[in-house]
Amino acid sequence: GENVEQHPSTLSVQEGDSAVIKCTYSDSASNYFPWYKQELGKRPQLIIDIRSNVGEKKDQRIAVTLNKTAKHFSLHITETQPEDSAVYFCAASRAGLTGTASKLTFGTGTRLQVTL
Amino acid sequence: DGGITQSPKYLFRKEGQNVTLSCEQNLNHDAMYWYRQDPGQGLRLIYYSQIVNDFQKGDIAEGYSVSREKKESFPLTVTSAQKNPTAFYLCASSRTSGETQYFGPGTRLLVL
Repeated sequence: GENVEQHPSTLSVQEGDSAVIKCTYSDSASNYFPWYKQELGKRPQLIIDIRSNVGEKKDQRIAVTLNKTAKHFSLHITETQPEDSAVYFCAASRAGLTGTASKLTFGTGTRLQVTL
Repeated sequence: DGGITQSPKYLFRKEGQNVTLSCEQNLNHDAMYWYRQDPGQGLRLIYYSQIVNDFQKGDIAEGYSVSREKKESFPLTVTSAQKNPTAFYLCASSRTSGETQYFGPGTRLLVL
């Protein structure tokens, strides 16, 4: 099955700096890569996703890049703000395919702390 | 997010007791999932269902049971065989397996 590794496990940046979180996946058939943000005591919420037919996607201060050859994808947050402090999870799946191997596999999470 | 609900928000279990956590969605999603999250930890998959009347074990199914008799509902029972059930339980659904998962607000289970 799919295996997703996520690094770093914790990340501390100063307000205004950029933050980068990296994930690698093992299944070359994976084609969908979402990122979730989980604030303390709350549910994970989708913040951005990318499919394997594009290499980069951006939404305001958040961007995701995908390197299919190397089987890794990254989350980039620019101009970080205190409200960006949370745990971020990456995930990978074979979207559009049937069978038990298609479901999302999550990374272990990155705790991002933005300090003033 | 409003389309998937969980109840109760907090649940207390006594020794030897089975308890059931509710998860309902009105998003017309085929797939539903249950995750367990311990403090400071990631998401561990307990059970998932890709379609009504079918479900599969996840990575930590021992001590838990589920049913999927209706498309909208995927209740999780924490049995007395689960010796350390204290955790945050999250239900999720997706249009089909492999697509974006949307999470419910969670149920926090505590042992008395």
